[in-house]
Amino acid sequence: EAGVAQSPRYKIIEKRQSVAFWCNPISGHATLYWYQQILGQGPKLLIQFQNNGVVDDSQLPKDRFSAERLKGVDSTLKIQPAKLEDSAVYLCASSQPLGVHNSPLHFGNGTRLTVT
Amino acid sequence: GESVGLHLPTLSVQEGDNSIINCAYSNSASDYFIWYKQESGKGPQFIIDIRSNMDKRQGQRVTVLLNKTVKHLSLQIAATQPGDSAVYFCAETNQGGKLIFGQGTELSVKP
Repeated sequence: EAGVAQSPRYKIIEKRQSVAFWCNPISGHATLYWYQQILGQGPKLLIQFQNNGVVDDSQLPKDRFSAERLKGVDSTLKIQPAKLEDSAVYLCASSQPLGVHNSPLHFGNGTRLTVT
Repeated sequence: GESVGLHLPTLSVQEGDNSIINCAYSNSASDYFIWYKQESGKGPQFIIDIRSNMDKRQGQRVTVLLNKTVKHLSLQIAATQPGDSAVYFCAETNQGGKLIFGQGTELSVKP
């Protein structure tokens, strides 16, 4: 089966600019996640979707981060305006509808963001 | 609060030896644990999982042990190969909860 697809692979922007990341989950996976992974740390959940609805966005910095999954398949994550501390790898993951407790997450290879 | 951590940030082993990567968790309500392998430039890859009603689970060359008494999880890799070099994360969750990752252990395999 095809894995989780993400683009772009790398992005370099200046602080205060905006950036968007795209994710296409595994076919049939209703649950989609965006994680932020700072160098040397484990991934941290930003937002979780079930189909096109938000399940958990408690750790999403909503003043600058936004995400959508309008048709319940692809998703985009946007940062506007970016700060230096946003430099990280942004990972998208998907799973079967029952969620993390019943099926493991499948991750994409991420987008490495550098904010200068 | 919830936290998952690893005892050792780095581990170096000789090719062919067995590797043991440890993980401590603090949330006694966690009942599902997963080990992920992350190679450079890639996303985390599922290795093996275990539920709290089990103490041990085996896969191909990997074994996960769960000690609920001391809230400890370990990943054993038999006959470690150069391709096993990566960062290994344990993650925990419970019903309705988020998947929480530990800091990670970098495994280096010497030929």
